[in-house]
Amino acid sequence: DSGVTQTPKHLITATGQRVTLRCSPRSGDLSVYWYQQSLDQGLQFLIQYYNGEERAKGNILERFSAQQFPDLHSELNLSSLELGDSALYFCASSPGTGAYEQYFGPGTRLTVT
Amino acid sequence: AQSVSQHNHHVILSEAASLELGCNYSYGGTVNLFWYVQYPGQHLQLLLKYFSGDPLVKGIKGFEAEFIKSKFSFNLRKPSVQWSDTAEYFCAVNNGGRRALTFGSGTRLQVQP
Repeated sequence: DSGVTQTPKHLITATGQRVTLRCSPRSGDLSVYWYQQSLDQGLQFLIQYYNGEERAKGNILERFSAQQFPDLHSELNLSSLELGDSALYFCASSPGTGAYEQYFGPGTRLTVT
Repeated sequence: AQSVSQHNHHVILSEAASLELGCNYSYGGTVNLFWYVQYPGQHLQLLLKYFSGDPLVKGIKGFEAEFIKSKFSFNLRKPSVQWSDTAEYFCAVNNGGRRALTFGSGTRLQVQP
């Protein structure tokens, strides 16, 4: 158990819908990262937040957005869902923005039908 | 942009065989290097990391990796694999300016009893 929690574990929804994935970092960690794992794209970085502020963006679609709240939990919002958005979405956390390892949560498996 | 290459996509070994998985990265500056393991149906777990110092790093479960700067490589090794090592292994890198991880495409290791 990494100490990072994610809910829900599984999500099945239809195209065009909007979903919210939630992540709670390890106690004391200020940085949260979101990654997408799909068969064709592999593991790709989406976005990073540090202490409530966006720090870095990766291959995140405009239909996707995220935020980090004062209690440091983070939410990833996916809207206008397409079949190709079906993937595993992982959240990871680290203590800060320095040279730290990242600890991954169990992931949310999103299936868009 | 930095990239990570894992040349072995699928490796099949018998128990007690030795393992070496290749990882090469493309980035000329200071890097931090990681190997993560993903057991079937589970989240990514950190096996080992290299930030600086001794280029031979030891991780959990008997794994080790050697950083060879001149070859831009960070190969993972284990002298004797077990059936329980069956998993997917990911090499990842980040650098001083970008804390998000760039992952390789992964190597699926299958250990036969």
